[in-house]
Amino acid sequence: DTGVSQNPRHKITKRGQNVTFRCDPISEHNRLYWYRQTLGQGPEFLTYFQNEAQLEKSRLLSDRFSAERPKGSFSTLEIQRTEQGDSAMYLCASSSRVHYEQFFGPGTRLTVL
Amino acid sequence: ILNVEQSPQSLHVQEGDSTNFTCSFPSSNFYALHWYRWETAKSPEALFVMTLNGDEKKKGRISATLNTKEGYSYLYIKGSQPEDSATYLCALILNTGNQFYFGTGTSLTVIP
Repeated sequence: DTGVSQNPRHKITKRGQNVTFRCDPISEHNRLYWYRQTLGQGPEFLTYFQNEAQLEKSRLLSDRFSAERPKGSFSTLEIQRTEQGDSAMYLCASSSRVHYEQFFGPGTRLTVL
Repeated sequence: ILNVEQSPQSLHVQEGDSTNFTCSFPSSNFYALHWYRWETAKSPEALFVMTLNGDEKKKGRISATLNTKEGYSYLYIKGSQPEDSATYLCALILNTGNQFYFGTGTSLTVIP
């Protein structure tokens, strides 16, 4: 399967714990995006990478969130000291050009108890 | 915060009916508009990428139009089928950055 993959698919954690999600984009795509989606809302942009460089980050993103793409391939999204409000679906997408279609992964559903 | 609005929020139609949805967005700094279909338990999939004012795109029974001057796009589905049931999302990208701004989606249910 050469699509975008995300792991884990589901994560349940207790408030205050740290969690890390992984995204493996389509191999020839140099652009990678992270989104958060809550019930009844569309995906909300979190951050964007072009190769290994994090070029854009939502101003709404808390300092508890950090993302990396160390070798320009897979990416990780870490949430520190999770809060109940962080419960959401975290989506990763990749694309090859700035306005080209995005290919989405299946998402990681986070539940913070 | 930039507002991309979609209407209606949800829609129930009978199989065979034709339907359409609207995506409204600020017209300044437009770069591209995407339409995605998101079926339950699946990943969002791209339907159309539209960049030029007056663009019309078609894929089977689904088509879309774009008006960048007045800031709207329409998605049409002709002869809806149960497999068209999904949430349809539009996403705007501006020429000032790389961020995609998604609407809240239109949830379509096609009743057999």
